[in-house]
Amino acid sequence: RKEVEQDPGPFNVPEGATVAFNCTYSNSASQSFFWYRQDCRKEPKLLMSVYSSGNEDGRFTAQLNRASQYISLLIRDSKLSDSATYLCVVVYTGTASKLTFGTGTRLQVTL
Amino acid sequence: ETGVTQTPRHLVMGMTNKKSLKCEQHLGHNAMYWYKQSAKKPLELMFVYNFKEQTENNSVPSRFSPECPNSSHLFLHLHTLQPEDSALYLCASSLYRGYEQYFGPGTRLTVT
Repeated sequence: RKEVEQDPGPFNVPEGATVAFNCTYSNSASQSFFWYRQDCRKEPKLLMSVYSSGNEDGRFTAQLNRASQYISLLIRDSKLSDSATYLCVVVYTGTASKLTFGTGTRLQVTL
Repeated sequence: ETGVTQTPRHLVMGMTNKKSLKCEQHLGHNAMYWYKQSAKKPLELMFVYNFKEQTENNSVPSRFSPECPNSSHLFLHLHTLQPEDSALYLCASSLYRGYEQYFGPGTRLTVT
């Protein structure tokens, strides 16, 4: 099983739709989680951290489910500008902190 | 944003050339990273430096040679590369290892 797994998509949704992505991780001792956004041919940019209690930033909501070992990202009222690849990141802070990127989920928002 | 800068942004080099990629972070971070991203492939972590010391080398061929003179600067020296080394090379930094990383814009490398 991969350390971090994401559905590659693409997810094609119309503008205004709500879309959700999940990301599963294999190491139950993982402690920190993030979502990044990467536009085509650009660098990944931090979108938001994922807190145990869940957190929201505008139209974006991130949640953590430790029991089932996944994190999720919900995007409400999708905009054309949300089209990008969304990368989940899982951090294991054991003897040597290890930060692992998922392969990304591609989102395409259409008119 | 000027938190993490990389130069050059684009590089074309022959297989016998020697070149260097430069990364500089202005965030006061202590950890720096090199990643490779080939077309339509996920990020591949190459090297990790923590407080200037290399802590991770993910089986990277010796034709890639990193250098970290201080916590703000990171170099990747390239020599006798192969065409399959053509990719986007991304530098990132974080306050400490395991913290969220901030990326530079990358160097798009083409090996001819």
